[in-house]
Amino acid sequence: EPEVTQTPSHQVTQMGQEVILRCVPISNHLYFYWYRQILGQKVEFLVSFYNNEISEKSEIFDDQFSVERPDGSNFTLKIRSTKLEDSAMYFCASSLQGSGNTIYFGEGSWLTVV
Amino acid sequence: GESVGLHLPTLSVQEGDNSIINCAYSNSASDYFIWYKQESGKGPQFIIDIRSNMDKRQGQRVTVLLNKTVKHLSLQIAATQPGDSAVYFCAENRAAAGNKLTFGGGTRVLVKP
Repeated sequence: EPEVTQTPSHQVTQMGQEVILRCVPISNHLYFYWYRQILGQKVEFLVSFYNNEISEKSEIFDDQFSVERPDGSNFTLKIRSTKLEDSAMYFCASSLQGSGNTIYFGEGSWLTVV
Repeated sequence: GESVGLHLPTLSVQEGDNSIINCAYSNSASDYFIWYKQESGKGPQFIIDIRSNMDKRQGQRVTVLLNKTVKHLSLQIAATQPGDSAVYFCAENRAAAGNKLTFGGGTRVLVKP
């Protein structure tokens, strides 16, 4: 069964450092997303991406965050200068189409900022 | 404001019994609802979805019920198994909100042998 894959599974970084989280969405999907889950809290939407541009973003997704689809298979989330409060599990997701379409999640990348 | 919330944070159920997990939503404009299962250290796994023009949808051992009058969503798991132990999230989507999902807080289901 096709799945969303993410790397790394766990990353520890120092505050102020840049982090890039990588994702390979399901191959025929057109919509890509990043969500995050702070430990013990609910899953929160960060950004959606379609046709090589951001289609929607939350208030969490400030100027420190960026997304990119550098080639035909990868989808990345970059945090330019990490803060302690960025420590969370980051989930990549994808869907075949837009609104009302099933969104499939990856296993997550656990980011710890120290 | 809009919100999706869960009534019970933890549900203990005997193996073989049926489980019912509840979810309330406040936005009457929500038109698509999804249940996800999340095991420890893993990503949300799609279980079943339902659109607002339906009241009930069945899958393998799972049934989702939608009551739009009281803005309530439930997930029923038949013959609960140890592998069903996880946190269950409901999520809602509005067509006007693109494909952004708003998640509830989660209910932990513990299956007792």
